Amino acid sequence: EIVLTQSPGTLSLSPGERATLSCRASQSVSSSYLAWYQQKPGQAPRLLIYDASSRATGIPDRFSGSGSGTDFTLTISRLEPEDFAVYYCHQYGSSPPLTFGGGTKVEIK
Amino acid sequence: QVQLVESGGGVVQSGGSLRLSCAASGFTFSSHGMHWVRQAPGKGLEWMAFIWYDGSNAYYGDSVKGRFTISRDNSKNMLYLQMNNLRAEDTAVYYCARNRGSRERGGYFDPWGQGTLVTVSS
Repeated sequence: EIVLTQSPGTLSLSPGERATLSCRASQSVSSSYLAWYQQKPGQAPRLLIYDASSRATGIPDRFSGSGSGTDFTLTISRLEPEDFAVYYCHQYGSSPPLTFGGGTKVEIK
Repeated sequence: QVQLVESGGGVVQSGGSLRLSCAASGFTFSSHGMHWVRQAPGKGLEWMAFIWYDGSNAYYGDSVKGRFTISRDNSKNMLYLQMNNLRAEDTAVYYCARNRGSRERGGYFDPWGQGTLVTVSS
């Protein structure tokens, strides 16, 4: 089973700042089969990025994904008020099981 | 538009059973694999199960293998999760999600339903 570790656990930033979220895998993720989701309180998760760097339909270009192997990054270039949420990474290169990271909360500083 | 609506959640006693349903609309349901993912209160996401587009194969997470069964009825555009021998640690919001990507054993999830809450009382 591939274990995903997200850091930091909480990121305190102001609107307009850049956010950099990390997701590290316990072993290499095949073909960069990694996705990122955003979840706001009381809502279902929403797909942001798939295949490590492809933006999902309708996702603003301030969201970008990068990385390969065991190290992946989600970057939000300039935080908008609606971007404060919890973000999860998810690997689908080795399954079952499909696994998620523990999440990073991006909060308003 | 693509929509997934879960139902069937509620309060059940430890050791009991429950069947969740997920109604799909806005896309060709019979062409897509489907997943169940859960989230315990205040916790992260945990993948439960995946079923192929035609129902011919299914995969499970270790924590539910042998207790939960995923199934589908393509004639009704419905996905199900039969949950038996429920435990307190199964208390969570259960989401259904459409499978995307070409991975045989499951890809990424898009979109997700709004979720249904299952509470297992001891």
